Amino acid sequence: AQSVTQPDIHITVSEGASLELRCNYSYGATPYLFWYVQSPGQGLQLLLKYFSGDTLVQGIKGFEAEFKRSQSSFNLRKPSVHWSDAAEYFCAVSGSARQLTFGSGTQLTVLP
Amino acid sequence: DTEVTQTPKHLVMGMTNKKSLKCEQHMGHRAMYWYKQKAKKPPELMFVYSYEKLSINESVPSRFSPECPNSSLLNLHLHALQPEDSALYLCASSQVVGPRVDEQFFGPGTRLTVL
Repeated sequence: AQSVTQPDIHITVSEGASLELRCNYSYGATPYLFWYVQSPGQGLQLLLKYFSGDTLVQGIKGFEAEFKRSQSSFNLRKPSVHWSDAAEYFCAVSGSARQLTFGSGTQLTVLP
Repeated sequence: DTEVTQTPKHLVMGMTNKKSLKCEQHMGHRAMYWYKQKAKKPPELMFVYSYEKLSINESVPSRFSPECPNSSLLNLHLHALQPEDSALYLCASSQVVGPRVDEQFFGPGTRLTVL
């Protein structure tokens, strides 16, 4: 079975500070991994994805994520957060279940 | 065109009403999905269509009835809903790539309120 854990329910950072959102997955083989962002009342937008190859993945809006097989992690990072980054962030995994499994989400608040 | 459109944006219905949600994509994707999302929760998968055939039904009550008329359209027919069915209903589409799910493109959702 595949599963995803996002340990942080809510994170608050100041604008301009760096950000790291944690994601741990459970899957026997190399999974497909995704980070999505959702603004209130909106659909989900893909930030980045990892299928294979280079373990450091660049995404949109200045986000990046690093796949670490030894730690079963796929943490999302951004060097300098903007107020517009305030949103809900979901990590998701695709394994052999022919569907995406989402983590519970991390709510990001950005202080001015 | 990398957009998934959903109509209506908002829907208020009584428990005896029949209504439908519509979803459309023109990316040539052959997999389409319905999700239900409650506030502060991740999306919950309801149905998956692959090549216009229902491939996954996550034990959804029969008051929700999906339909895939063609490769670009996905409908969700609603009948005799309960107040607890109030939620954001998201449609998504993706390429079909072997046994795994490729990147899913999501629509903006329909905010459903059942009175």
